[in-house]
Amino acid sequence: AQSVAQPEDQVNVAEGNPLTVKCTYSVSGNPYLFWYVQYPNRGLQFLLKYITGDNLVKGSYGFEAEFNKSQTSFHLKKPSALVSDSALYFCAVSALSSGSARQLTFGSGTQLTVLP
Amino acid sequence: DAGVTQSPTHLIKTRGQQVTLRCSPKSGHDTVSWYQQALGQGPQFIFQYYEEEERQRGNFPDRFSGHQFPNYSSELNVNALLLGDSALYLCASSLAGQRETQYFGPGTRLLVL
Repeated sequence: AQSVAQPEDQVNVAEGNPLTVKCTYSVSGNPYLFWYVQYPNRGLQFLLKYITGDNLVKGSYGFEAEFNKSQTSFHLKKPSALVSDSALYFCAVSALSSGSARQLTFGSGTQLTVLP
Repeated sequence: DAGVTQSPTHLIKTRGQQVTLRCSPKSGHDTVSWYQQALGQGPQFIFQYYEEEERQRGNFPDRFSGHQFPNYSSELNVNALLLGDSALYLCASSLAGQRETQYFGPGTRLLVL
């Protein structure tokens, strides 16, 4: 079985400061890792993914994430936060072991609030 | 390039009724997955369709069923609605060779009274 943990329900950061949203995962085999963002009353927007290759992945809107296999983590980062980054962020994992469907297993989400 | 579309956007039903939700995948995508997102939780996988067949199913009862049409669009049907079925239902589409990369629609908000 695969699982994702987002240990922080809420992250607050001042505008212009760096932000980190934490994610750890558990999966059999090599993971596919994703970050999605959700604005109020909206669906999920794809931010970035790690499949293979460079451990530092760059995505949309200046976000990046670092894959750390030994710590089974995939933390989302941004060097300088914007008020418009305030939203609900979900980490998700998929793996070959989940079958050909590659179903996504999501964490419980982290509410990011960027304070002006 | 049209993204994933879903209809309706909102729906109110009463316990015991049946509901049908619809999804059109992103242009060029042939695989559709459905997820249920309860309030305050992350999405949970219901099932996935490609080649007009259900290929994998999550931990949901048989009251949840689906269909995929030749144009790759899909329906999610829920019978005998329960209060606990109130949620945001998300459709995601992907390509057969890249099923792990899923693009989501805006969702249908279902309220069961």
